[in-house]
Amino acid sequence: NAGVTQTPKFQVLKTGQSMTLQCAQDMNHEYMSWYRQDPGMGLRLIHYSVGAGITDQGEVPNGYNVSRSTTEDFPLRLLSAAPSQTSVYFCASSYAGNRNTEAFFGQGTRLTVV
Amino acid sequence: GQSLEQPSEVTAVEGAIVQINCTYQTSGFYGLSWYQQHDGGAPTFLSYNGLDGLEETGRFSSFLSRSDSYGYLLLQELQMKDSASYFCAVRVSNYGQNFVFGPGTRLSVLP
Repeated sequence: NAGVTQTPKFQVLKTGQSMTLQCAQDMNHEYMSWYRQDPGMGLRLIHYSVGAGITDQGEVPNGYNVSRSTTEDFPLRLLSAAPSQTSVYFCASSYAGNRNTEAFFGQGTRLTVV
Repeated sequence: GQSLEQPSEVTAVEGAIVQINCTYQTSGFYGLSWYQQHDGGAPTFLSYNGLDGLEETGRFSSFLSRSDSYGYLLLQELQMKDSASYFCAVRVSNYGQNFVFGPGTRLSVLP
C-alpha cells in the first residue's frame, strides 16, 4: 500500500530558484494539505485542498503555490526560494467531513535553501 | 491568535506511565488529535477526541475537557520504541483535517 508518496526526499536549492514538491495519494481522499515543520514549532499549515479544483490558504502560504487538477495529486510550488523556506515539508491526506478523523502523512521532503 | 501548549520534554523509564498535557486556544474547535513522530519520520495518528472524556486504544489513552480547553495523552507500560515526539493538534475546520499543531513533546524512555 503506497499511501501518501512525496518526492523528492531531499533537495538543495539556491536562493531564487523555483521547484515543485510532488505529493500523490492512492486512497481516494478528498482532502489534501501541505505542512512545514521547523525545529521546536510543530507543523504549520501552508495550503490545503478539499477536492479537485479547490484550494485555499493555510497559516503560512506566502511564497508557495498549489493546484489540484486530480484527486490523487497535490503539488507544492516554491516560486523563488529563500533561506527562510529551509524546512521539512509534509503532505497529508484524509477523507473530508467527519467520516474519518485520521490524517495520513507522507515521509517528508527535506529542503535546504542556500 | 491560535496556540497550543505542551511540555517540551518528558523522561520516563520502561514500564512506567507518562501523561503529556496539552492546552489550547483556537478560533475553532472540532476535536483534539494526537500524533507520534519518530526522528526523521512522518507523523502517525494515535488518537482523536471529539467529545469530552477518555478514549482508549491499547496502551494509549487520550482525554479531552472542552470546557477547560485541555487534553492529555496517557502512555502506559512504556517501551523503548515509544521514544519519539508527540504532538497534540486541534482540528479547526469541520471539513477535512485542517490542524493547528502544538510544538511537540519529546519523550525519552530509559531502560
